[in-house]
Amino acid sequence: RKEVEQDPGPFNVPEGATVAFNCTYSNSASQSFFWYRQDCRKEPKLLMSVYSSGNEDGRFTAQLNRASQYISLLIRDSKLSDSATYLCVGHTGGFKTIFGAGTRLFVKA
Amino acid sequence: GAGVSQSPSNKVTEKGKDVELRCDPISGHTALYWYRQSLGQGLEFLIYFQGNSAPDKSGLPSDRFSAERTGGSVSTLTIQRTQQEDSAVYLCASSSSLSGLGEQFFGPGTRLTVL
Repeated sequence: RKEVEQDPGPFNVPEGATVAFNCTYSNSASQSFFWYRQDCRKEPKLLMSVYSSGNEDGRFTAQLNRASQYISLLIRDSKLSDSATYLCVGHTGGFKTIFGAGTRLFVKA
Repeated sequence: GAGVSQSPSNKVTEKGKDVELRCDPISGHTALYWYRQSLGQGLEFLIYFQGNSAPDKSGLPSDRFSAERTGGSVSTLTIQRTQQEDSAVYLCASSSSLSGLGEQFFGPGTRLTVL
């Protein structure tokens, strides 16, 4: 089993839709989680951190469920510019960073 | 300010040759990571440097891969006797986090093609 798993998608949604991604992790000792965004043939960039209490930034909400070992990303009112690959990231023991394979999102007019 | 830079941006080499990839992190960032991303895949952790501490090499796929970081700044990833399966984009990231758990800033990557 991979340490961090994501549904690869693609998710095809119309503009204005709400879309949610989940990411599961296998190591219960994982300490920190993040969502990164990666545009086609570009480097990843931090979208938001994930806290146990939840984290909201505009149209984006990230949550962590330690009991079930998953994190989620919710995008409301999707924009065309949200089309990208969303990478779930976890830090296990030590400094090793584990990236999920990514979930592809296409937002269409 | 300047971000993370990597060179070369593209490298085509023949199977069996050695290659060196360079990363210049953001000034003042103590943490530096190397990753590999194959087409359509996620990022594969290779190695982590933090200041002058011994690096975490747990992600290096074989002894053909090595990396060093001189003076706590510039890093070089070396692949010896390249194989076709080494073809990928190699990404470098740096972070100001002393714990290694903070935001990482990525360079544009080096696209390596082994013929």
